[in-house]
Amino acid sequence: DGGITQSPKYLFRKEGQNVTLSCEQNLNHDAMYWYRQDPGQGLRLIYYSQIVNDFQKGDIAEGYSVSREKKESFPLTVTSAQKNPTAFYLCASTPGTYNYGYTFGSGTRLTVV
Amino acid sequence: QKEVEQDPGPLSVPEGAIVSLNCTYSNSAFQYFMWYRQYSRKGPELLMYTYSSGNKEDGRFTAQVDKSSKYISLFIRDSQPSDSATYLCAMSYGQNFVFGPGTRLSVLP
Repeated sequence: DGGITQSPKYLFRKEGQNVTLSCEQNLNHDAMYWYRQDPGQGLRLIYYSQIVNDFQKGDIAEGYSVSREKKESFPLTVTSAQKNPTAFYLCASTPGTYNYGYTFGSGTRLTVV
Repeated sequence: QKEVEQDPGPLSVPEGAIVSLNCTYSNSAFQYFMWYRQYSRKGPELLMYTYSSGNKEDGRFTAQVDKSSKYISLFIRDSQPSDSATYLCAMSYGQNFVFGPGTRLSVLP
């Protein structure tokens, strides 16, 4: 079955540590996205990539970094510069434009300990 | 004013009730309108997708768009406990895509 796989499901980060969240898709979608979800707030866009080796900052990119070396993979690194990283992180993809709606992964819950 | 507003709920209804979920928006440029359902600790899944104004029906779900009022709705008929989830509206034009904060729905058996 085609879909998006995010791992791990739960992740704990110590203060000052960088952590990387994995996102893999087998939908042959061109575009991939990372969103952050906090209680009571809409999804906020962190980074997106419409093509391999190219990515753009979203609304809340500070403290995060990404890479897109393969079409199928779009990992997100939460750096120590992100002061409030505890949140639910969602990876998504679309065939090529925003207008068709997203396919989402199951998310990674990141908690700072 | 937020670009997309949605009552966060929670909304509790008895099984079998008709549920009405709504979003208002401020930017008249939005052309594509979507509803996503998100179960607890899961990613959102696309439920309904409409372009411009009008109604679209899919089983127990009906999506309605009124662009003149900048108002969209999702109706759920014969609601089931399995419909208990958070419902997110979303809308887009060009490369601009905005989600509402979601309404939490509980359907009580």
